[in-house]
This record gives sequence, structure tokens and C-alpha cells, in this order.
Amino acid sequence: QQQVKQSPQSLIVQKGGIPIINCAYENTAFDYFPWYQQFPGKGPALLIAIRPDVSEKKEGRFTISFNKSAKQFSLHIMDSQPGDSATYFCAASSREGSARQLTFGSGTQLTVLP
Amino acid sequence: DAGVIQSPRHEVTEMGQEVTLRCKPISGHDYLFWYRQTMMRGLELLIYFNNNVPIDDSGMPEDRFSAKMPNASFSTLKIQPSEPRDSAVYFCASSRATSSEQETQYFGPGTRLLVL
Repeated sequence: QQQVKQSPQSLIVQKGGIPIINCAYENTAFDYFPWYQQFPGKGPALLIAIRPDVSEKKEGRFTISFNKSAKQFSLHIMDSQPGDSATYFCAASSREGSARQLTFGSGTQLTVLP
Repeated sequence: DAGVIQSPRHEVTEMGQEVTLRCKPISGHDYLFWYRQTMMRGLELLIYFNNNVPIDDSGMPEDRFSAKMPNASFSTLKIQPSEPRDSAVYFCASSRATSSEQETQYFGPGTRLLVL
């Protein structure tokens, strides 16, 4: 019920390509869906987040698409750059309890070739 | 702000030894989270605190693991005795309990633990 399934496990694209990372969830109580970006040797950092009342959110070259009925959401990176090479985690949380506990996907290792 | 600070950054120890990981959250943050990251299990929440009080420790793998937060600016995660399967990267994260900022967790750089 709490699991967030992420795919693909790894992704290689050429510079300028549009990598797409997909996530699916089961728990309908989830109401906040962030994406975190992690560079080697660093902790994850919030990249962009969406709530289920909108179907798309765009920040710079990063876009989240959200399909509430399918319980799926995805991250698109427009005009990808080698500097975008990192591991990307989707996550989901709900307001159960006194804090937002994040349930993370398994991660996608993205490599953008120059 | 310096962000979340963790120490040590790397720790190599032998099986059976006690390991203590340390975390200083961002000043003013009310929540502190401890995570473990491995290739096999990904990012797992171990325990989190609110205003220095442990709220949910259901993710702590077993009694060998313990965590404390004696004050708002310091937390420890202790493993005693350590085992090779505890080898992982341990992250501390903190967040602020306001309506819009509570969702954002700020992660430290992690402690890479290797138990031989």
C-alpha cells in the first residue's frame, strides 16, 4: 500500500534528449509528490513537486505530469544536459500523523551523454 | 545557512564495534529524519523526531539501532553492535513545520558506513 514503483532503473540519453522517468503508487491518501535529485556523494535535494489537484507542473526544464485516475506521475527533462546526470527519486507522502513521511521510489540513474 | 551537517562523512569499522553517527539539523527546523540508503533497498526511513521527541521508529531495523535527539540542534544514530549488513549510506534530513514548507526535507551529505 505504501510502495512507490519507479522505472526505469537506469536511462542513457544524448544531450538535448528528453528523458522520462515514471512512477506509480497505490495509496490514494498520498497527496504530495516530490522529485529529488541526487548527485554522487551528496544527499538528495528537492527538484520539483506536485499536488494531485493539477495535472502538470513546470519549473525550468523540468516538468511533472500527473495522472490521478491512473495513480501515475512522471518527470520529463527538456533539453537534457550532461550536468543533469544524477539519480532521480520520486516520492509520495500524505498528511497522516504529525509529519509528512516520504515514501521513495527505487531511483533512476540518468546519464546524459555530451 | 550551512544546511544539514553530518559527521563523520565516512566510517570504517569492524563487526561488533559501536558506531555513532551525528547530525546537526538546519536551525529552526522542527522535524529530523534518519534514512538509510542501500542499492538493494533504496532510501528507507528509519526514525523521525518532532521537537526532539521520537515520533515513529518503526523503520529501525532491530534493537541494535537507537537514535536520540537531546536538543534541537543535535541528533545521534547509534549501532551497537555493528554488523556487515549495516553497511550503507546514512542520511539525516530536517524540515520546518509550516503549512507549505513542511513537505520539503533537506538532506545532509550522508555518512558512508562500512562494517568489515
